[in-house]
Amino acid sequence: GQNIDQPTEMTATEGAIVQINCTYQTSGFNGLFWYQQHAGEAPTFLSYNVLDGLEEKGRFSSFLSRSKGYSYLLLKELQMKDSASYLCAVKDSNYQLIWGAGTKLIIKP
Amino acid sequence: EAGVTQSPTHLIKTRGQQATLRCSPISGHTSVYWYQQALGLGLQFLLWYDEGEERNRGNFPPRFSGRQFPNYSSELIVNALELEDSALYLCASSSDRSAHSGANVLTFGAGSRLTVL
Repeated sequence: GQNIDQPTEMTATEGAIVQINCTYQTSGFNGLFWYQQHAGEAPTFLSYNVLDGLEEKGRFSSFLSRSKGYSYLLLKELQMKDSASYLCAVKDSNYQLIWGAGTKLIIKP
Repeated sequence: EAGVTQSPTHLIKTRGQQATLRCSPISGHTSVYWYQQALGLGLQFLLWYDEGEERNRGNFPPRFSGRQFPNYSSELIVNALELEDSALYLCASSSDRSAHSGANVLTFGAGSRLTVL
C-alpha cells in the first residue's frame, strides 16, 4: 500500500530552527508538496519538490531525496505564527495526491 | 480576489440523514477537489470535478456523491450518514485542468465540519 509518515507533533522554541521529516512509500513519484494548515483554517501551499535537493523560500526550505523516499521541511527563525500543522503530500504514478496525517508544530516563547 | 469558499461552516446531522456541502472555487478555476479530513488522519481524496464532469473518485462508498455546476461551483452530498462520516470536508480548486501536471497547486477552502450524532 501507499504510505506517508510524519511525526505527529513537534515542539520548538521561538527563534530556533526545526526540521519536519516526511518519508514516503508510493507507487511512483511525480512530486512532493508541503502545505501549512493553521487550526480551523484552509491548508496553504508552501513548497513543491520534484528533483533531488534543497529548495529555499525565505525562512522555509524543503529537501527531497527520491532514492531514500525522504523529504524534510526546514523552518528557520521560528515565529509564534508558525504554530500550525504541516502536511506532506506525494503525487503518485497516477498523479493522485497521497497525504500524510500532518505534523502539529507547537512554538513556545 | 476571493478565495475558495465553503458552506456551511458547521453542520450537525443525525445518522441516516443526508448532508449537502457547497463549494465555490476561485474565479477562473475549473477543477474542484473534495477531501475528507478525519481527526488524526491525512486528507482522504473523495472526488474530482472538472468542466462539470466527475473525473476521478477516491475509495469511498457510493453514498458519497456530488456534482459541479456550469459556474464551476460544486456540491458534495453524503447520503445515509454514519457516525464515522464526522469529519472536516475540504474543497480545493485548481487552475490546472490536467491532473497530469506535477506542480498542480491546490487552493483550499476553510472546510465544512460535519458532525453526525
